[in-house]
Amino acid sequence: GAGVSQSPSNKVTEKGKDVELRCDPISGHTALYWYRQSLGQGLEFLIYFQGNSAPDKSGLPSDRFSAERTGGSVSTLTIQRTQQEDSAVYLCASSRSGANVLTFGAGSRLTVL
Amino acid sequence: EDQVTQSPEALRLQEGESSSLNCSYTVSGLRGLFWYRQDPGKGPEFLFTLYSAGEEKEKERLKATLTKKESFLHITAPKPEDSATYLCAVQGTTDSWGKLQFGAGTQVVVTP
Repeated sequence: GAGVSQSPSNKVTEKGKDVELRCDPISGHTALYWYRQSLGQGLEFLIYFQGNSAPDKSGLPSDRFSAERTGGSVSTLTIQRTQQEDSAVYLCASSRSGANVLTFGAGSRLTVL
Repeated sequence: EDQVTQSPEALRLQEGESSSLNCSYTVSGLRGLFWYRQDPGKGPEFLFTLYSAGEEKEKERLKATLTKKESFLHITAPKPEDSATYLCAVQGTTDSWGKLQFGAGTQVVVTP
């Protein structure tokens, strides 16, 4: 596609429920990244995929967070048993292999009540 | 651990009033320093990458410079459409590819 596509754009959920956030990267971009942006704070790295493998998962805050990427394209970020502190904008980005210039999507805003 | 501090937190400018944003960083070895622009409700948009001290890059009214400890984003004769949050990020040589450490950003408002 022309840009990085994320869905849903907004998600409101109740504490304790599971949520899935989806990212469709730019066609041909083999690297994919998830970041989190909390209100008033900088972007926080979560995970990096190269193809279908994740060389760096060091930013995932807890074992409630997981991500997968299939077919070297679409990625899903799953948050289990959501907590109020998970409320944030989750941003996905992609890049060509070997390039460190990231193209970001518009984000998925998650609100946990 | 990489650290990035941006100042000021917010900046209000009159149209045509030039100013500079600061990004101070600490990193064991710099692979790159990045400037992004973020508009409300959107993801960050790439502006510049700087790799070594002394390097400068320009794009329209924006000019980014780099020293060994900080980077400046100069906005010359800004227009209202330059209003946005400007984000600085660094990537260290020991960081995985794509792992950037971002600052909290400087929110710039340019009034007519």
